[in-house]
Amino acid sequence: GENVEQHPSTLSVQEGDSAVIKCTYSDSASNYFPWYKQELGKRPQLIIDIRSNVGEKKDQRIAVTLNKTAKHFSLHITETQPEDSAVYFCAASSDGGSQGNLIFGKGTKLSVKP
Amino acid sequence: ETGVTQSPTHLIKTRGQQVTLRCSSQSGHNTVSWYQQALGQGPQFIFQYYREEENGRGNFPPRFSGLQFPNYSSELNVNALELDDSALYLCASSPARVSGELFFGEGSRLTVL
Repeated sequence: GENVEQHPSTLSVQEGDSAVIKCTYSDSASNYFPWYKQELGKRPQLIIDIRSNVGEKKDQRIAVTLNKTAKHFSLHITETQPEDSAVYFCAASSDGGSQGNLIFGKGTKLSVKP
Repeated sequence: ETGVTQSPTHLIKTRGQQVTLRCSSQSGHNTVSWYQQALGQGPQFIFQYYREEENGRGNFPPRFSGLQFPNYSSELNVNALELDDSALYLCASSPARVSGELFFGEGSRLTVL
């Protein structure tokens, strides 16, 4: 079955710096790759997603890149702010996400220091 | 618009007992997925319900079962609780098995002693 590895497990940056989180997946049939943000004690919330027919997607300070050949995808956050501090999860799905079966990574705890 | 709500928020059970967790989906959503999130881990897919039927299942034993009701709300039942079942149980709804985005509730924190 699908396996998603996420690195690093913790990441500390200064406010204004960029942060990059990387994930690799094992199932070449995976075609949907969302990123969720989970603040302490809160629910996970989708921040950006990408499908396998696209190599890059950007939404303001957040971007995701996908390399299907290498089976890895990355989250890039620019101009980080203290409110970006949270745990970020990558995930992969082989059904376009339509059946709710997302395989999540173990998460990256991002700390943005003011 | 009402988001996904779950109950109870916290509960404590002993090994061997049974538990029922409840979820009300977001307005307009007819698909409900359940996830187990152990401390410090990512959520793990348990199963999904669509039109009151189980539509997909992760690697969880049969003692994890569920229901979906005509109003799209859902229950997760776990029998013969084990210590390893201690986790945050997240319910997520989505509209008609499309788009991919899951809308999560805040979870039910289960502790098994």
